[in-house]
Amino acid sequence: ILNVEQSPQSLHVQEGDSTNFTCSFPSSNFYALHWYRWETAKSPEALFVMTLNGDEKKKGRISATLNTKEGYSYLYIKGSQPEDSATYLCASGGLTNDYKLSFGAGTTVTVRA
Amino acid sequence: SQTIHQWPATLVQPVGSPLSLECTVEGTSNPNLYWYRQAAGRGLQLLFYSVGIGQISSEVPQNLSASRPQDRQFILSSKKLLLSDSGFYLCAWSVARIGRGSNQPQHFGDGTRLSIL
Repeated sequence: ILNVEQSPQSLHVQEGDSTNFTCSFPSSNFYALHWYRWETAKSPEALFVMTLNGDEKKKGRISATLNTKEGYSYLYIKGSQPEDSATYLCASGGLTNDYKLSFGAGTTVTVRA
Repeated sequence: SQTIHQWPATLVQPVGSPLSLECTVEGTSNPNLYWYRQAAGRGLQLLFYSVGIGQISSEVPQNLSASRPQDRQFILSSKKLLLSDSGFYLCAWSVARIGRGSNQPQHFGDGTRLSIL
């Protein structure tokens, strides 16, 4: 199982501001990087799955990038809104484990109106 | 469309009692199924996964077991609960792919909050 780390653990953002946070993972044996959004009282929702170095994905005001050579991914939120408040989880799948993901502890984002 | 059902939502059990959590998926066939646990302040820990009926892989030695009696049913069990089994349990599914399945997004149930007294 790969060790996935996320930073910061939590952050507070003023409504309208943009923010970003990091997911780092061992670059050896890497196959796929996932991002999930987990809102309070809901189940985690898949945002992105990326596999190639340099991949960039976008969904509305949220985007993500992937650097497989150095083992990190950034998630960006542009113009944060209160509905963006959630815990954002990243997870990495390795070459040796076809179906399994190793999750980070998450970054909890709180957007203040 | 596909849906996943997980129950119960909350459960309070005494130490030493048995456990059965159930998860069912609708709208897809032969999914990969997963049980995760989230301990306080930590990430999701994979407990079990299954790629087919009767096929269970365990990730960590523990007091729990899993079974998949039907294609879209996944059950998490224990004969005797320990205090350390407290936590939030999530069931998930993903589309099965030959080969590199970890590039498929996982879809989660609403979770079960398990408290052991």
